[in-house]
Amino acid sequence: NFMLTQSHSVSESPGKTVTISCTRSSGSIASNYVQWYQQRPGRAPTSFIYENNKRPFGVPERVSASIDISSNSAYLTISGLKTEDEADYYCQSFENNNQVFGGGTTLTVL
Amino acid sequence: EVQLVESGGGLVQPGGSLRLSCAASGFTFSRYYMTWFRQAPGKGLEWVANIKQDGSETYYVDSAKGRVTISRDNDKNSVYLQMYSLTAEDTAVYYCARGALFVPHRPDIWGQGTLVTVSS
Repeated sequence: NFMLTQSHSVSESPGKTVTISCTRSSGSIASNYVQWYQQRPGRAPTSFIYENNKRPFGVPERVSASIDISSNSAYLTISGLKTEDEADYYCQSFENNNQVFGGGTTLTVL
Repeated sequence: EVQLVESGGGLVQPGGSLRLSCAASGFTFSRYYMTWFRQAPGKGLEWVANIKQDGSETYYVDSAKGRVTISRDNDKNSVYLQMYSLTAEDTAVYYCARGALFVPHRPDIWGQGTLVTVSS
C-alpha cells in the first residue's frame, strides 16, 4: 500500500492564502481520486474537497484543490483565510479496496 | 436529513469485546457502501473496514484482520463493527461513514463518532 504524507502544521494570517500538500509515496497521484476532509476540534470530519478538485455544497469558492503528477502530490489551497478555517485537514485516497489518509495538517490562523 | 449515528462505545477491559452500531437515516441505505474509521486520541484518521452494499464483500486494514468483523442489516438500516481481543491501541473514536454512490471508497457523510476506551 502507498502512504500519503502531509506537513504537520501550517500557520498564516487572516486574509492570506495557504496551501497544504499531500504527497503519495508510490503509484501515481492520478491513479485514484484524492479527497480532503476538514476536522474541527472535537468534531467529526466533513467532506471539504472530493474527486481531486470538487467542492461540496457549502464549501466556499475561496477553497480550491489540484493534483500534480510531476510532484506526485495533491494540494489544498485556501485563500482569504478566516479564523473559522482553523482546523485539521486530511487528504485521503484509495487503492484496491483500501483507503489511506495522510497524517493531517493543523492549520492555525492568527 | 441524511444522518449516521454511532453507538455502542464505552470502557472495556483489555482482551474484551465490543460491538459498535451505526444507524442510518435519510437515504436508501442498501444502495451505499459503508465504512468504519477510527481516530486514536490526538492522532489522525485510520480506515478500519468496508462493506459492500449487499454485504457480500468486506475488507479490513491489515492491523485489524482477524480481530474485527464488519456487517450490515439493510432491513434495519444499520452497519456494525464487532471487535475482539481489544488492546489499549484500539482506544479511539470510531466513526462510520457512507461511501459516495459512484465512488464507494470516497466517504461523503460521517457520523459523530463513538468513543471506545480499552483500559483495566
